[in-house]
Formats: sequence, C-alpha cells, structure tokens
Amino acid sequence: GAVVSQHPSRVICKSGTSVKIECRSLDFQATTMFWYRQFPKQSLMLMATSNEGSKATYEQGVEKDKFLINHASLTLSTLTVTSAHPEDSSFYICSALRQPENEKLFFGSGTQLSVL
Amino acid sequence: GDSVTQMEGPVTLSEEAFLTINCTYTATGYPSLFWYVQYPGEGLQLLLKATKADDKGSNKGFEATYRKETTSFHLEKGSVQVSDSAVYFCALRGGNNRKLIWGLGTSLAVNP
Repeated sequence: GAVVSQHPSRVICKSGTSVKIECRSLDFQATTMFWYRQFPKQSLMLMATSNEGSKATYEQGVEKDKFLINHASLTLSTLTVTSAHPEDSSFYICSALRQPENEKLFFGSGTQLSVL
Repeated sequence: GDSVTQMEGPVTLSEEAFLTINCTYTATGYPSLFWYVQYPGEGLQLLLKATKADDKGSNKGFEATYRKETTSFHLEKGSVQVSDSAVYFCALRGGNNRKLIWGLGTSLAVNP
C-alpha cells in the first residue's frame, strides 16, 4: 500500500528556534497534502492544505507566517514552525492525497513537538 | 457547521468480546462517512467508509452502517483481537469539500 513518511517523529527544541517537519509520499505523487494539528484529547484540526507548486491554503486562525508550508515537489511537503514557543507544542500530522483516487488519504505517523 | 461526535475512550475489552464505538454526526447535505484507525507507532489508515444512506462499510471484520435517520455511523466488530488495539477515528466529508471533519478518537485496548 501507499506509504507516507513523516520525519522527525519527535523533536524537542528551545523557545525561539525553528523546526522543520518533512512529509514524503514514498510510492506515489501527491499534488495535495494536508497538515493537521492534534492537542491531547482533541480531534485533528486541519491547519492548511499544501498544493504542489503553489501557495498553501491556510485554515482560519492559522498564522501563515508562523507555520510555513512548502510543497516544492510532488513527493515532499514541509512544515516549518518558526520561532517556536511552548504553546506550539503539539502533535502534527501530515497526509497526502493520492490521485485519481480522490478519497484515498494516506497519513504520516506524526511528529510530537515539544518546545521548552 | 459540520461536526462529528464520537464516544470517549479508552475502551478496554477482553479478546473475542463484541465492540461498538458510537459515532454521530451533524452535516448539511449528504456527507461521506469514514472510520480511520491508528495502530501504535503508525499513521492513520482508512478502515472503512460509506458514501450514502444505508451503505454498509466493512473491512477486517469491522462494520459500520450509514444511518441517515439517526445520523449515526457506529463501528462494530463481533469478536475483537489483541491486534485490534488502536485508536479509532470517525470522520465525515461533506459535498464537494475535500476537508475531513474528525471525531476525537477512541482508544481501544484488547487484553488477551
């Protein structure tokens, strides 16, 4: 089956630093990828839709300058949390949409970010 | 707006017990409904889906029926195994929207 690799799985950083999370579709091309955030005991919250070759579409309330998304190739999207603060600590999950199976989403295993 | 309400866990069962995880939704129009599963250390995977009323999705012994009259999509399995231990998420997607609306997730632990 299709695989999406998300890296790193866990990162601890100091407040004020930037952290980059990678999401790769290993055996298919994904023009669309999604970035989610999940707080403990809460549902997944869609942050943004990443479109290959164009700007990401951010959900209401998500700071685009804070969460930089780059989707430069058909197999890689990155999320950079800039100037991270403790309130950015969360579980981040990516997913990739495999075309033409429009309802087939494949998920990464997530990244636990802890900002000290 | 659209929403999904899922029973809270954790749910702990003995092997071969019957499983029900409740999921109800609110949505305009006719959404598609999904159950996703996340095994320990792995990414979310689609378990089953239903795209219209009275459809039954099934996979790996799990079933869920799209009930429009009760706006429900409860997940059931007649006999759970230890390997079913995971977190289960109910989700919907309405109309032409590619965005998924998620439930909170229900953690299931099956003891031998």
